[in-house]
Amino acid sequence: NAGVTQTPKFQVLKTGQSMTLQCAQDMNHNSMYWYRQDPGMGLRLIYYSASEGTTDKGEVPNGYNVSRLNKREFSLRLESAAPSQTSVYFCASKWEASSGEAFFGQGTRLTVV
Amino acid sequence: QQQVKQSPQSLIVQKGGISIINCAYENTAFDYFPWYQQFPGKGPALLIAIRPDVSEKKEGRFTISFNKSAKQFSLHIMDSQPGDSATYFCAAISSGSARQLTFGSGTQLTVLP
Repeated sequence: NAGVTQTPKFQVLKTGQSMTLQCAQDMNHNSMYWYRQDPGMGLRLIYYSASEGTTDKGEVPNGYNVSRLNKREFSLRLESAAPSQTSVYFCASKWEASSGEAFFGQGTRLTVV
Repeated sequence: QQQVKQSPQSLIVQKGGISIINCAYENTAFDYFPWYQQFPGKGPALLIAIRPDVSEKKEGRFTISFNKSAKQFSLHIMDSQPGDSATYFCAAISSGSARQLTFGSGTQLTVLP
């Protein structure tokens, strides 16, 4: 049982390049989330999907887009990367929105130069 | 605007000592308060959680104290061990359709042997 799997684990991009961060969960969870983690800022919500077919903006959505491809997969896309998007990105999932425990992937460390 | 304020930013404790991390919130729509533990290179993992109708919850060496009137809650780690060295995040979940997690800024705990 892999839980939440994120790919890639590390990535270096040049300013203006695009890329997609992939996330998949095998726990049959309905809700999925994308966070970014920056020093001293905690984890900030970028986008979330309460259920398959729905997505909503979180606290810091600018510069990102998401796709809830199916129940298992939730991808995060950077269309034109900027140095301010250098961060560690975490995907998480929950059984239902009402459930308290979120399960996190191991993160993607992204550097934009 | 940080909805959950966490302190201290870093904490150094001797082995066997008590570690105390404090959090405060303003949003009265928060109705579930989990604590997450994160080791370097890993995603956060749920440690312990409390609902606001309970003033204290204990699991092993970890205790959450909750003061609803003051809108404050804290994590106490008794008999702290070097293996407890990690980053700790308090969080809050709001009522609403997606019930997403809002995190504090994190506390880096170091337990000296």
